Amino acid sequence: SAVISQKPSRDICQRGTSLTIQCQVDSQVTMMFWYRQQPGQSLTLIATANQGSEATYESGFVIDKFPISRPNLTFSTLTVSNMSPEDSSIYLCSVASGTANTEAFFGQGTRLTVV
Amino acid sequence: DQQVKQNSPSLSVQEGRISILNCDYTNSMFDYFLWYKKYPAEGPTFLISISSIKDKNEDGRFTVFLNKSAKHLSLHIVPSQPGDSAVYFCAASGLTGANNLFFGTGTRLTVIP
Repeated sequence: SAVISQKPSRDICQRGTSLTIQCQVDSQVTMMFWYRQQPGQSLTLIATANQGSEATYESGFVIDKFPISRPNLTFSTLTVSNMSPEDSSIYLCSVASGTANTEAFFGQGTRLTVV
Repeated sequence: DQQVKQNSPSLSVQEGRISILNCDYTNSMFDYFLWYKKYPAEGPTFLISISSIKDKNEDGRFTVFLNKSAKHLSLHIVPSQPGDSAVYFCAASGLTGANNLFFGTGTRLTVIP
């Protein structure tokens, strides 16, 4: 299984500022993803972080708001830009691993509160 | 539009008994399903998965059943242990793999000693 380190684990931020979340994996992985879990809701995929090219965003999420970097096969960052209280969520990094990418592993998440 | 649904937000079970967690989905294109367990302040932990070509997959105390015609799957935990107390998420994918997962809202399981 892949070990994923995510930081920060939590933060309280002022509205209008930006926060960059880092995700480090202990092995090279092809597929890395960023999810969001809003309070009382299920996990929702934000985007797939592609190594060497622009991230692929899901409906409702745009690059200007959630810029993503993927400089290599073990690391990615997600930035939450120009934050508002509605961005208060848990943000999770995930990787697909195993034979035919049949398992997905998650970091411990970043609990973001915007005040 | 919630494509994966867990209609029971919570479940309480006595230690040693069976826990049954249910999940329904609406998208017939889903063909790979996973269950995750989540403790507070931790990320979801992969438990067990099943491909649509199967109707049952077993791993120790955990068994997942898939009924494609009913678009329904369930996770059975037997015997239940207090350490199983957590939130359980069902997830589905339209590809044979854990890419682009659609999650249910979770069921909080409490195993009573």
